[in-house]
Amino acid sequence: DQQVKQNSPSLSVQEGRISILNCDYTNSMFDYFLWYKKYPAEGPTFLISISSIKDKNEDGRFTVFLNKSAKHLSLHIVPSQPGDSAVYFCAASEGSGNTGKLIFGQGTTLQVKP
Amino acid sequence: GAGVSQSPSNKVTEKGKDVELRCDPISGHTALYWYRQSLGQGLEFLIYFQGNSAPDKSGLPSDRFSAERTGGSVSTLTIQRTQQEDSAVYLCASSISAPPDTQYFGPGTRLTVL
Repeated sequence: DQQVKQNSPSLSVQEGRISILNCDYTNSMFDYFLWYKKYPAEGPTFLISISSIKDKNEDGRFTVFLNKSAKHLSLHIVPSQPGDSAVYFCAASEGSGNTGKLIFGQGTTLQVKP
Repeated sequence: GAGVSQSPSNKVTEKGKDVELRCDPISGHTALYWYRQSLGQGLEFLIYFQGNSAPDKSGLPSDRFSAERTGGSVSTLTIQRTQQEDSAVYLCASSISAPPDTQYFGPGTRLTVL
């Protein structure tokens, strides 16, 4: 069973516009969430995280929103840039992230067109 | 400084053979993780080492899989009697200390079992 789901395999947006990547989870014990970005032939790189005590965390062009009641989080990138084109994974863990065990979604491929 | 390195980058083996995959974490990082990504799937947690504590092996899919971490640094993931379903990209990550410290990923080893 997939505890973390990214239902959109791909997303295409125009440079300068907003990219919204979505993620749903089923395990109510998850209380720490992360987004990673992955370029081809490279390992994932950490983007941004959020604890369940918050509903929003912002870092430059990247903002993560958490809706605990809906078990849904989203990553907003604004403005989108061609260099943002990559696969984006959301991940979740229990125990405020202290378990070390991240559960990842399947990923969404973002293409930002110039 | 150098990031997480993994070797080999690619490994092709025949069904039934044993393979060893190596991970060199970032110097000074005390926590080390193994994940794998099968085609079209998200990253799947395998095992987590933290200092001298007993590793969390809860993600290992079968007893054909084992991992060790010598001297608190280099780690080796061993798959015995490989099967075709073991074909995946095996990713290693390390973090400075215990979770939820950011996990830094290596580029992965692509394993193909014929």
